[in-house]
Amino acid sequence: GESVGLHLPTLSVQEGDNSIINCAYSNSASDYFIWYKQESGKGPQFIIDIRSNMDKRQGQRVTVLLNKTVKHLSLQIAATQPGDSAVYFCAENMKSGNQFYFGTGTSLTVIP
Amino acid sequence: NAGVTQTPKFQVLKTGQSMTLQCAQDMNHEYMSWYRQDPGMGLRLIHYSVGAGITDQGEVPNGYNVSRSTTEDFPLRLLSAAPSQTSVYFCASRTDTNYGYTFGSGTRLTVV
Repeated sequence: GESVGLHLPTLSVQEGDNSIINCAYSNSASDYFIWYKQESGKGPQFIIDIRSNMDKRQGQRVTVLLNKTVKHLSLQIAATQPGDSAVYFCAENMKSGNQFYFGTGTSLTVIP
Repeated sequence: NAGVTQTPKFQVLKTGQSMTLQCAQDMNHEYMSWYRQDPGMGLRLIHYSVGAGITDQGEVPNGYNVSRSTTEDFPLRLLSAAPSQTSVYFCASRTDTNYGYTFGSGTRLTVV
């Protein structure tokens, strides 16, 4: 079966610092990846996505890096703010199928 | 737009009871899915639908039924609730071209 895992279950950063959240995936056939943010008591919220034909994609204060050689995905958040405190999930999709497989999540805490 | 609306937000059931979790979206999305979220296990796909009249099983379908009679609605039925079904349930939808799901705010279900 699929497996998507995160290296660190919790991460604490100082406000203003950059955050890096990592994700490992096991299926080399996966070709599409999404990062979601989930705040307490809410549903996951789409942050950014990347396809396997790309190595890097940037959004507003966020960057996703994909290393297909080692099957690793990371989310970088620049100038982390208290509002960034949440659980972050990566999700993978294989060959544009209907099933996304989610990692267990990393809890990010921003220290003011 | 209301997005994805789930009802109820909280529910307590006794073992063996049945109930339906409601999900409605007003974005005319073709794809809809149900996930359950358990501590330390991330989100797991229960059932999904690629359009009205079409449903399929996900990763953990046992004990659940779905139907998709309209584009807007995708109810999830628990046939005979078990304590193992205690979880937070999320409904999500997306278009067929944008793979980023929009999630509802979730239903927290406790089976005693």
